[in-house]
Amino acid sequence: ETGVTQSPTHLIKTRGQQVTLRCSSQSGHNTVSWYQQALGQGPQFIFQYYREEENGRGNFPPRFSGLQFPNYSSELNVNALELDDSALYLCASSLRGRQNEKLFFGSGTQLSVL
Amino acid sequence: GESVGLHLPTLSVQEGDNSIINCAYSNSASDYFIWYKQESGKGPQFIIDIRSNMDKRQGQRVTVLLNKTVKHLSLQIAATQPGDSAVYFCAENMGGYSTLTFGKGTMLLVSP
Repeated sequence: ETGVTQSPTHLIKTRGQQVTLRCSSQSGHNTVSWYQQALGQGPQFIFQYYREEENGRGNFPPRFSGLQFPNYSSELNVNALELDDSALYLCASSLRGRQNEKLFFGSGTQLSVL
Repeated sequence: GESVGLHLPTLSVQEGDNSIINCAYSNSASDYFIWYKQESGKGPQFIIDIRSNMDKRQGQRVTVLLNKTVKHLSLQIAATQPGDSAVYFCAENMGGYSTLTFGKGTMLLVSP
């Protein structure tokens, strides 16, 4: 186990709705990254948070947004859900202090958009 | 397109065999590479990493080889066990702390 916990584990929403996913990082880690994994694909980088600010973003529209809290936990918010947003959303934590630190992933939230 | 890809989507081996999973990357500026294992219903699990100033790194039953000349990465698993059955991803860091680009993955099936 990595110590990274995500909630909920599964979620069903309808098109146009909004969703919030949550992540608690591993103890001692100060950086949180979010990835989207479509079925049969590798994870795709959404964004990263460090010191409560977005620090790097992949090719995702602004309706994907996030927060990082003082305790390093994080939220991923998706507005105006589309069918293609159905995927496994993975949170990963790491300790920024030197380059190329390892990412430790949670088990993800499976989001289904109907 | 993706800068990291795998040659074989599925690899089937017998228990006890050695397995080799291959990965090609296209960004010569990538300086850090990781192999992850993902079992059904779980997040990716770190296996082994290698920096671009190395060409080989060994762990417990696993070895990663990096050939920068042809931009190729491989994961070797010795004495493969049924518990090794999973999808394996290679990922590269193309810049930025902990920002990884993943390939599509290879499914490893180990028969008893």
